Amino acid sequence: GAGVSQTPSNKVTEKGKYVELRCDPISGHTALYWYRQSLGQGPEFLIYFQGTGAADDSGLPNDRFFAVRPEGSVSTLKIQRTERGDSAVYLCASSLTLRSGSGANVLTFGAGSRLTVL
Amino acid sequence: GENVEQHPSTLSVQEGDSAVIKCTYSDSASNYFPWYKQELGKRPQLIIDIRSNVGEKKDQRIAVTLNKTAKHFSLHITETQPEDSAVYFCAASMTQGAQKLVFGQGTRLTINP
Repeated sequence: GAGVSQTPSNKVTEKGKYVELRCDPISGHTALYWYRQSLGQGPEFLIYFQGTGAADDSGLPNDRFFAVRPEGSVSTLKIQRTERGDSAVYLCASSLTLRSGSGANVLTFGAGSRLTVL
Repeated sequence: GENVEQHPSTLSVQEGDSAVIKCTYSDSASNYFPWYKQELGKRPQLIIDIRSNVGEKKDQRIAVTLNKTAKHFSLHITETQPEDSAVYFCAASMTQGAQKLVFGQGTRLTINP
């Protein structure tokens, strides 16, 4: 598609529930990232994929968070047993490659999924 | 790991005046410094970036300067317009490989007509 698409745009859930957030990157982009942005803060890195594999998941806060990208395109961020502190905007971004030539690794962000845990 | 500090947190200027936002970083290995503009409820959008092999880069009314020795970089917006009102984020990362950007806390810029 023309840009990075994220669904849902808004998700309200109850504490303890399971949530899935979806990201559809720009067509042809091999690298995909998830960031989390809390109110009034800059985005924080969670995880990135190169192709199908999670190349670096060092930003995931704990084992309740998991992400997959089974076919190297669409990615799903999964949050188990949600807590009120998980409330934030979850941003997905993609880049053409990981290599820096001609800005090929510059990130393009999606509009985000706003998660509210009651 | 990298730590990026951004100042000021809020900035209000008269339309037509200049605005300057400053950031410092801690990791001397960082060599890529993008700036993102985020309007309310919208996605962060890259407005300009600079790599460590240059000290300054300009794109129309926007410029970024980098001082690698002091580990700080700044965004300069001249002839500000109401549509420049937004939250601006600086970030730092390595040029090569994955863009694990470390962001500053953001600056809310308001342009007063």
